[in-house]
Amino acid sequence: AQSVAQPEDQVNVAEGNPLTVKCTYSVSGNPYLFWYVQYPNRGLQFLLKYITGDNLVKGSYGFEAEFNKSQTSFHLKKPSALVSDSALYFCAVRGWSGGGNKLTFGTGTQLKVEL
Amino acid sequence: EPEVTQTPSHQVTQMGQEVILRCVPISNHLYFYWYRQILGQKVEFLVSFYNNEISEKSEIFDDQFSVERPDGSNFTLKIRSTKLEDSAMYFCASSEGSGTAAETQYFGPGTRLLVL
Repeated sequence: AQSVAQPEDQVNVAEGNPLTVKCTYSVSGNPYLFWYVQYPNRGLQFLLKYITGDNLVKGSYGFEAEFNKSQTSFHLKKPSALVSDSALYFCAVRGWSGGGNKLTFGTGTQLKVEL
Repeated sequence: EPEVTQTPSHQVTQMGQEVILRCVPISNHLYFYWYRQILGQKVEFLVSFYNNEISEKSEIFDDQFSVERPDGSNFTLKIRSTKLEDSAMYFCASSEGSGTAAETQYFGPGTRLLVL
């Protein structure tokens, strides 16, 4: 079974500071990892994904994520946070050992960026 | 930019009533999904649909649930007899259907279902 853990319910950061939203995963076979963002009363917007290759993945709105196989982590980062980045962030995993195409989501991390 | 659309945005129904949630996936996509998010909880997979049949379903997707692609554009989720615990945000998603595990699923804005 595949699973995702987001250990922080909320992350607070000052605008202009770097931000990190943590995610660890468990999956059999090769992991395919995704980050989505959810603004209030909106759907899930795709930010970025890791398939293979470079461990540092760049995505939308200046976000990037670092894949670490030994630590089974896929932390979301941004060098300089904006107030408009405040939202709910979900990490998701899809395993590929021949079984299914569903995404398994973490519980989400609320990011709050303050002036 | 093409996007997934869902109607209605909100639905209130009485327990025991049938509801149909509608989705229009991105036009050239072949894989369709339903997920739900109970308030304050994580997003959960319900079902995936490809080539006019269910390809995978979760334990949540019991006999009360069904999906259909009634025409070339719509994808629907029917709940036959709603229960209070069906109250949630329901998200439709679609992906290209290339068959790779790495393809991205694109989500609609959701339908908030409230069962009274």
